[in-house]
Amino acid sequence: QAVVTQEPSLTVSPGGTVTLTCGSSTGAVTSGHYPYWFQQKPGQVPRTLIYDTSNKHSWTPARFSGSLLGGKAALTLSGALPEDEADYYCFLSFGGARPWVLGGGTKLTVL
Amino acid sequence: QVQLQESGPGLVKPSETLSLTCTVSGASISGYYWSWIRQPPGKGLEWMGYVHYSGTTDYNPSLRSRVSISADTSKNQIFLKVTSVTAADTAVYYCTRTGGGSGGYWGQGTLVTVSS
Repeated sequence: QAVVTQEPSLTVSPGGTVTLTCGSSTGAVTSGHYPYWFQQKPGQVPRTLIYDTSNKHSWTPARFSGSLLGGKAALTLSGALPEDEADYYCFLSFGGARPWVLGGGTKLTVL
Repeated sequence: QVQLQESGPGLVKPSETLSLTCTVSGASISGYYWSWIRQPPGKGLEWMGYVHYSGTTDYNPSLRSRVSISADTSKNQIFLKVTSVTAADTAVYYCTRTGGGSGGYWGQGTLVTVSS
């Protein structure tokens, strides 16, 4: 089974920009992995911010964007707000005989 | 708007089988992958497995021997069974629509406690 790696924790200043990344032990992450980014705030149900690399939902704040960067999936937050403090999980869909994998999550602090 | 609602017993005894149902409204389950994701108290998310509406399944290798996921297109429902449960299976269980083009919709989750 592939291992999906994320930064365990990151800190960003209010108004600042931060990029969370999602790597795979099997090699470069591509659009074919249909990368997802989930946001979970304490005590709340996770919600999908980004799907299929860069697609947003109607509820996804414009300050969030998804991309592929240097062989990884990336979630960029531009103009961080205190309400963006949360855990962020990356999710990759592997084809063939490989099961799908969730990353361990990144705890983002806005401070 | 796609809505997912998990249902099932909130308490299961050790060694017994955990069974949950996910009822989907606002969209047909046809054409998509449906996953179960769980979260033990205070821990991260764990993908358990998926079912495609066609019946194809795949599971997390760590759970493969105990987990079964199925779908009933006539009822627009997704099912989860976990056999031989232990306290380590205590978690909030989420039904989700994930996979390419699926959008990533989540149910509200249901807490299942394994205890005698």
